[in-house]
Amino acid sequence: QKEVEQNSGPLSVPEGAIASLNCTYSDRGSQSFFWYRQYSGKSPELIMSIYSNGDKEDGRFTAQLNKASQYVSLLIRDSQPSDSATYLCAVNKGGGFKTIFGAGTRLFVKA
Amino acid sequence: DAGVTQSPTHLIKTRGQHVTLRCSPISGHKSVSWYQQVLGQGPQFIFQYYEKEERGRGNFPDRFSARQFPNYSSELNVNALLLGDSALYLCASSLRAANTGELFFGEGSRLTVL
Repeated sequence: QKEVEQNSGPLSVPEGAIASLNCTYSDRGSQSFFWYRQYSGKSPELIMSIYSNGDKEDGRFTAQLNKASQYVSLLIRDSQPSDSATYLCAVNKGGGFKTIFGAGTRLFVKA
Repeated sequence: DAGVTQSPTHLIKTRGQHVTLRCSPISGHKSVSWYQQVLGQGPQFIFQYYEKEERGRGNFPDRFSARQFPNYSSELNVNALLLGDSALYLCASSLRAANTGELFFGEGSRLTVL
């Protein structure tokens, strides 16, 4: 079982729609959760962090965390073609020094 | 302010050779992590250093080593290169040592092993 699992996609949504990206993790001791965006040929960029159960909103992005289900999601509202990228879910254990990344979900937003 | 800088950006080596990759963190960041990313996969954790000490190591062979210098810059060394070492090597800095995945990545060093 992989430590962080994501559907590789591609996920294709029309412009203006909501894109929903999901991630599960295996270590119940995990305490910090992150979403990174990686454009083709570029390095990952942090877009959201979430540390407690529930929702966290930042602009068009909402991160959702359910520790009981070991599930993290990212919603992108009013999706734009510029949102087309690979979205990486990352998890860090409390007291741990390593952040583990999933394989990423490719998102395509069609104009 | 300058972000994380890595050098070289691209390099080609042959099997059996050695490579050194360099990273300068964001000013004020004392933690540096190294990741390997092969095409189609997420970054794989190699090392984390904080205050010049190794704080975490991923599941990589002993051919991989790293160090951090007093100015918090870091080097990743890979000996006896294999074809499978071809990848993008990412350096990331962070403000804190532990309990953080808030990483700031450099643009990476793309290594091709022939």
